[in-house]
Amino acid sequence: KQEVTQIPAALSVPEGENLVLNCSFTDSAIYNLQWFRQDPGKGLTSLLLIQSSQREQTSGRLNASLDKSSGRSTLYIAASQPGDSATYLCAVRPSNAGKSTFGDGTTLTVKP
Amino acid sequence: GAVVSQHPSWVICKSGTSVKIECRSLDFQATTMFWYRQFPKQSLMLMATSNEGSKATYEQGVEKDKFLINHASLTLSTLTVTSAHPEDSSFYICSAGGAGSNQPQHFGDGTRLSIL
Repeated sequence: KQEVTQIPAALSVPEGENLVLNCSFTDSAIYNLQWFRQDPGKGLTSLLLIQSSQREQTSGRLNASLDKSSGRSTLYIAASQPGDSATYLCAVRPSNAGKSTFGDGTTLTVKP
Repeated sequence: GAVVSQHPSWVICKSGTSVKIECRSLDFQATTMFWYRQFPKQSLMLMATSNEGSKATYEQGVEKDKFLINHASLTLSTLTVTSAHPEDSSFYICSAGGAGSNQPQHFGDGTRLSIL
């Protein structure tokens, strides 16, 4: 059974800092890994998706990496802004039709 | 813009009422949709997989008769919480998409259900 862990559970940084969020998973046989952002009381917004064959994906100030052999993914946020404050979730999908397993999320607070 | 639309966004109703939540894929067809439940400050818990034209697949511990799922078309899945009670109060979210390895899952904005 796939288990997904996100560390830390909460993170508070001053504006402008670069930061890394971690996601680890126990079964390396994955289809893809997706990073999401969730604002309070809202649904999930997809940030980045990394296919099993890929090592990283970038979108603006965000960079996600994937190391299947070690069962780890990181989400790097450059030059953080208060608007980046949210809960960040990673989800691992085992196959085309497989259901995703979510981590518990990291709640990020960026202080002005 | 949103590719998955969920309605309603907020429901408050009396105990014993049945509540229907709709999940629509707006610009693509979805043979499979997923329904999740989320408790405060917790991650998403998968409730069931909705399959177009066939029965939904429920996760262990989820009552099929309590949470009725209908996926009658390629763009619409509905979740009906039957005879809702206060313990059913939660945030319900649906997702669709992700048919290919490079295709992301898209989520609706969720439905906040409050049973009095």
